[in-house]
Amino acid sequence: KAGVTQTPRYLIKTRGQQVTLSCSPISGHRSVSWYQQTPGQGLQFLFEYFSETQRNKGNFPGRFSGRQFSNSRSEMNVSTLELGDSALYLCASSYPAGEFDEQFFGPGTRLTVL
Amino acid sequence: KQEVTQIPAALSVPEGENLVLNCSFTDSAIYNLQWFRQDPGKGLTSLLLIQSSQREQTSGRLNASLDKSSGRSTLYIAASQPGDSATYLCAVRGAGGTSYGKLTFGQGTILTVHP
Repeated sequence: KAGVTQTPRYLIKTRGQQVTLSCSPISGHRSVSWYQQTPGQGLQFLFEYFSETQRNKGNFPGRFSGRQFSNSRSEMNVSTLELGDSALYLCASSYPAGEFDEQFFGPGTRLTVL
Repeated sequence: KQEVTQIPAALSVPEGENLVLNCSFTDSAIYNLQWFRQDPGKGLTSLLLIQSSQREQTSGRLNASLDKSSGRSTLYIAASQPGDSATYLCAVRGAGGTSYGKLTFGQGTILTVHP
């Protein structure tokens, strides 16, 4: 069974631009969560989607948004990029999307903001 | 607010040693605790998941224990190998308050196993 896939793997953007990252969960998984990883703050929870609805949200500004499609694939969007948004963005999927479920992570998207 | 602390921050050992990584968390209202491994520049690989009702889980040379009431977990690695070199992260899934449903991570332990 294929793992969690994320595209693109690397991105370089400039301040003020916007970016969209994509995540395809493991087949059959219905929950997708997004995390930001930086050297200073470590891994921080962004949001979680289940059945196309945002189920949980971390403490990030409104510039960070996401959505989930009917096939469980998810996208994350960051608008008006800032230098501090440079990070590794990881998504994770779980099944059957209950609080007790193991999370499986993708390889991440490395975003660099210049 | 849930906080997770991992000790030590870094560990360097010779091959063959048994070692223990520690994780503590401030809020015992958790659904589960998960240990991950991360290689440089890569995503996270799930190692072990312990539900809140369990005391330990084992997988190969790895054994993780959980004492929910005291807010502690340990990851025991037997007979360490150079291929075990990585950053090890623990994370707890909150069951209440502002941490409900969220995975909160520790800062990780950087493990180096030298031949």
